[in-house]
Amino acid sequence: DAKTTQPTSMDCAEGRAANLPCNHSTISGNEYVYWYRQIHSQGPQYIIHGLKNNETNEMASLIITEDRKSSTLILPHATLRDTAVYYCIVRDAGGGNKLTFGTGTQLKVEL
Amino acid sequence: ETGVTQSPTHLIKTRGQQVTLRCSSQSGHNTVSWYQQALGQGPQFIFQYYREEENGRGNFPPRFSGLQFPNYSSELNVNALELDDSALYLCASSTPTPPETQYFGPGTRLLVL
Repeated sequence: DAKTTQPTSMDCAEGRAANLPCNHSTISGNEYVYWYRQIHSQGPQYIIHGLKNNETNEMASLIITEDRKSSTLILPHATLRDTAVYYCIVRDAGGGNKLTFGTGTQLKVEL
Repeated sequence: ETGVTQSPTHLIKTRGQQVTLRCSSQSGHNTVSWYQQALGQGPQFIFQYYREEENGRGNFPPRFSGLQFPNYSSELNVNALELDDSALYLCASSTPTPPETQYFGPGTRLLVL
């Protein structure tokens, strides 16, 4: 699986959009970009995934650059409950594949 | 629809003992993966089970073993516990169709004294 690079930490004001970047310059054509988040001491929560196109669901939007070497997770209106560690993971679409977690981005949403 | 569940939530053991952790997969999911998360680190892949057989393993010694049952639930067994085994153990079940998104349970917090 391709390696990802994320900032260690970010701050965001409540109500504003949180934009979390991720670099995955060695991504290959059949690898998906996944985002999970983990609130302190809980299991990781799936947020969204994408292959080439931008994706949106009830939680977030995922913007993937045309060359697929980077992506941005957007939380449109961050709340205090969005404070968590956010993990960007690249993995193959084939069956039986593990998730390789890095250190993630600690997002702190403040009043 | 019930999500992934794990039991127990917390557990305290002493060095040398054995422990069994349990996981019930989300309805319709046939693959279960186990991860270990030490304090301050990201989860590390232990192994995965598909159709009751191990289907991939991370860098963990043989004293970490598992089972998957016909109903797709799973157990993680750890023998000869060491202090460094203290961690949050996470179970994830996967959707049956590509890209097989994994959904995690709440985890079991194991403390080895």
